[in-house]
Amino acid sequence: AQSVTQLGSHVSVSEGALVLLRCNYSSSVPPYLFWYVQYPNQGLQLLLKYTTGATLVKGINGFEAEFKKSETSFHLTKPSAHMSDAAEYFCAVSDHYGGATNKLIFGTGTLLAVQP
Amino acid sequence: ETGVTQTPRHLVMGMTNKKSLKCEQHLGHNAMYWYKQSAKKPLELMFVYSLEERVENNSVPSRFSPECPNSSHLFLHLHTLQPEDSALYLCASSQEPASEQFFGPGTRLTVL
Repeated sequence: AQSVTQLGSHVSVSEGALVLLRCNYSSSVPPYLFWYVQYPNQGLQLLLKYTTGATLVKGINGFEAEFKKSETSFHLTKPSAHMSDAAEYFCAVSDHYGGATNKLIFGTGTLLAVQP
Repeated sequence: ETGVTQTPRHLVMGMTNKKSLKCEQHLGHNAMYWYKQSAKKPLELMFVYSLEERVENNSVPSRFSPECPNSSHLFLHLHTLQPEDSALYLCASSQEPASEQFFGPGTRLTVL
């Protein structure tokens, strides 16, 4: 069975500092991996995804993530935090085999606070 | 309208009421999903529809009843809910096979 672990339910950084949100996954097949962001009172918005190919993927708003198979990780980074990055971030893994639908397994989320 | 829309955005209901949540996707996708998001819990997948056919029902209580009349619309009919059913209900859609899901803004449900 697939699973996702997000280390740190709350992360606080200063404006302009590096953002690092951690995600480790468990999957018996090569995974598809996703990061979503959720702003207050809104749905989830896709930040970036990894399916195949280049292991460093770039997303919206200056975020990027690197797929490391040996570490079963897909950590999300941004070089310089902005106040508008304050939100909750969810890592998700997909089992894209065996079936017509794309079942996403989500982590419990990391709430990012950005201090001025 | 673009993307995935959900109505109403907020709903307060008593335990004996019957109400429905509506989701509409304007993306031409062929799969739709209902999720429940509660505080301090991972997103819970409730139902999946592919090509208007229910393909997954994750042990959801019968007081939640989904309906997918066509590929663009998804409903969640609610009756005799419990206070613990209070949560954010999210709808999503995707184009199969395997792709990312696009989410609506959610309906914040409060059961009194």
